Amino acid sequence: GEDVEQSLFLSVREGDSSVINCTYTDSSSTYLYWYKQEPGAGLQLLTYIFSNMDMKQDQRLTVLLNKKDKHLSLRIADTQTGDSAIYFCAESIDNQGGKLIFGQGTELSVKP
Amino acid sequence: EAQVTQNPRYLITVTGKKLTVTCSQNMNHEYMSWYRQDPGLGLRQIYYSMNVEVTDKGDVPEGYKVSRKEKRNFPLILESPSPNQTSLYFCASSSLDSRGEQYFGPGTRLTVT
Repeated sequence: GEDVEQSLFLSVREGDSSVINCTYTDSSSTYLYWYKQEPGAGLQLLTYIFSNMDMKQDQRLTVLLNKKDKHLSLRIADTQTGDSAIYFCAESIDNQGGKLIFGQGTELSVKP
Repeated sequence: EAQVTQNPRYLITVTGKKLTVTCSQNMNHEYMSWYRQDPGLGLRQIYYSMNVEVTDKGDVPEGYKVSRKEKRNFPLILESPSPNQTSLYFCASSSLDSRGEQYFGPGTRLTVT
């Protein structure tokens, strides 16, 4: 069945770049997403990429998609302590984006 | 303010005592969903609903029930809770043309002893 895999932890220094990686299995996914969960809160959509794109940039965030390898990454430039959170990769497995499969989440720790 | 609300936020209960977690959204979204979040497992979908009176099983539906009698509400029912249902539960909603942007509630932390 569909599966999304992420590493569980990442620790970086403030000001460095963070790269969070994700692999997925469903090659027919229309959209792929990055959600952010801050402590004690629900998830919020951070960014998404349409499956026919290779890259999307939004301020400090860069999303790279390698469809051949089914690999998605999120790069956060100039990482700040406020970026400390859990980041979830997700893929849609229906055409409407309603049914999402989430990865395990990567806990990003930013040290001053 | 557009939001998804869940109640209660925290609940401690005993095995076998029926409980309901409510979920409500004010965005007129068609799609609503329940997830549970467990350490190392990410979010797993329990049930989802594409519209009123239309519900379907997600990946881990055993031990749960849902109903969708009104568009804005999607309660999660545990008829006979067990300790393995101790978890953090999230309700989410989205518009069917939203490219998958799901709006999440704040979560309900349930402990079953």
